[in-house]
Amino acid sequence: GQQVMQIPQYQHVQEGEDFTTYCNSSTTLSNIQWYKQRPGGHPVFLIQLVKSGEVKKQKRLTFQFGEAKKNSSLHITATQTTDVGTYFCAGRGGATNKLIFGTGTLLAVQP
Amino acid sequence: GAVVSQHPSRVICKSGTSVKIECRSLDFQATTMFWYRQFPKQSLMLMATSNEGSKATYEQGVEKDKFLINHASLTLSTLTVTSAHPEDSSFYICSAPPGQGAHYGYTFGSGTRLTVV
Repeated sequence: GQQVMQIPQYQHVQEGEDFTTYCNSSTTLSNIQWYKQRPGGHPVFLIQLVKSGEVKKQKRLTFQFGEAKKNSSLHITATQTTDVGTYFCAGRGGATNKLIFGTGTLLAVQP
Repeated sequence: GAVVSQHPSRVICKSGTSVKIECRSLDFQATTMFWYRQFPKQSLMLMATSNEGSKATYEQGVEKDKFLINHASLTLSTLTVTSAHPEDSSFYICSAPPGQGAHYGYTFGSGTRLTVV
């Protein structure tokens, strides 16, 4: 079945440092979504990428979708303590409406 | 935006009993609801897809008779964990997909933390 892997599993940074998480799917995706889950909370939608090679920005967050539509990345510039949480990519493949989550990257930010 | 209300948020039950978890779409109609399970420090694993008015679709390895799913109306989907055992202790969360053409993501309930003792 479809697998979506993320690296790293865990990242600890000093406040102000940059952070990147990478997402790789075993199959081509129709689109990819990114979610943030705070400790004890539920996933919250961040963004959706649809086009091959697409790049989108949300303030300090930059999202990319690979040319082959099998990988994606999330980059955070100058992290803040409010960025703490687990970042998941999630893919939808083919005609299915199912959302398959990546393994996630837990970000810890030290003030 | 779309809101999914999930109850209860926490439940502790004795081994062998059943627990029902409800997810309601508050301001929209959800013909489909996805049910996930999340163990500590792990990702969300899709368990099943509930469809209003028809049988749920279960992912490989998920026991249909143990995790009963009902989607009786366009605003309510339920997951019942039957004869719960300690290994069923987990965070269960539902999710509704966006409407066709919508540019927002899936809406998640707040989750149910189940502890079986």
